[in-house]
Amino acid sequence: SDVLTQPPSVSVAPGETARISCGGDNIGSKSVFWYQQKPGQAPSVVIFYESDRPSGIPERFSGSNSENTATLTISRVEAGDEADYFCQVFDSRNDHRLFGGGTKLTVL
Amino acid sequence: VQLVESGGAVVQPGRSLRLSCAGSRITFRMFDILWVRQSPGKGLEWVAFISHDGIRKDYTDSVKGRFIISRDTSKRTVYLQINSLRVEDTAVYYCARDRDGASLDNWGQGTLVTVSS
Repeated sequence: SDVLTQPPSVSVAPGETARISCGGDNIGSKSVFWYQQKPGQAPSVVIFYESDRPSGIPERFSGSNSENTATLTISRVEAGDEADYFCQVFDSRNDHRLFGGGTKLTVL
Repeated sequence: VQLVESGGAVVQPGRSLRLSCAGSRITFRMFDILWVRQSPGKGLEWVAFISHDGIRKDYTDSVKGRFIISRDTSKRTVYLQINSLRVEDTAVYYCARDRDGASLDNWGQGTLVTVSS
C-alpha cells in the first residue's frame, strides 16, 4: 500500500542513540530520503538515498534500509537534534513523492 | 538558489487563491519545482510538480482537477492556482527544488493558506 508509517515520537537522553523507523511495503527496493524539520522552519534533507549525507550533516546521522523498514539512526544525540523527522520515497510507478507521517524526536 | 513563497491568505471555502514561488537566481529556470503542503500539526504531503521547461506537470490524486501549476520563466516564478478551496486545504505550502528526480532541497519558508468561513 502507498503508506509510510513512522512512530509519532521517539525520546532519548543526550549521548544515547535514536532510531527512527519508516515502514512501507517493499521499501527496501526504493530510494529513501530523510528530512529534519525544526519548529518554525522548512524541512531540510539529512540523508539521501538511504545513507548518504549532504555536506554539513554530521556523521552521527546514518540511514539503513531493508525489506519493509528504513531506519534513521542518530548517534550521540545532542539537544540540537530535537526536531521532527520525515522519511520520503520516490514511487517510480507514477513519479510521485510519498512522505511518512513524521516522528518527533525529543531529547530528554 | 533561494525560493520564496507568497500569496497565502485566509479565504472562504469555494474561493480561489494563487500562490507564488520566486527563485533568486537565473538558474531557477533549470530546475524542476514541487509544491508540498503541511497541515497544522501534521505531516508533509507532496501536491504538485512542474518540470524546468513547464511541459511536464503532475499532481497528487487528491488535488487533481482543482490545483493548477504553472511557471513564468521571465519572472523566475512558479505558481500554484488553487480552486474550489476546501477546509482541508488549510496548510503551509512550501515550494522546493527537485534535487535529483527523487528528493527535494532548497525549500522555501512556506506560505500559510487558511480556509475558513
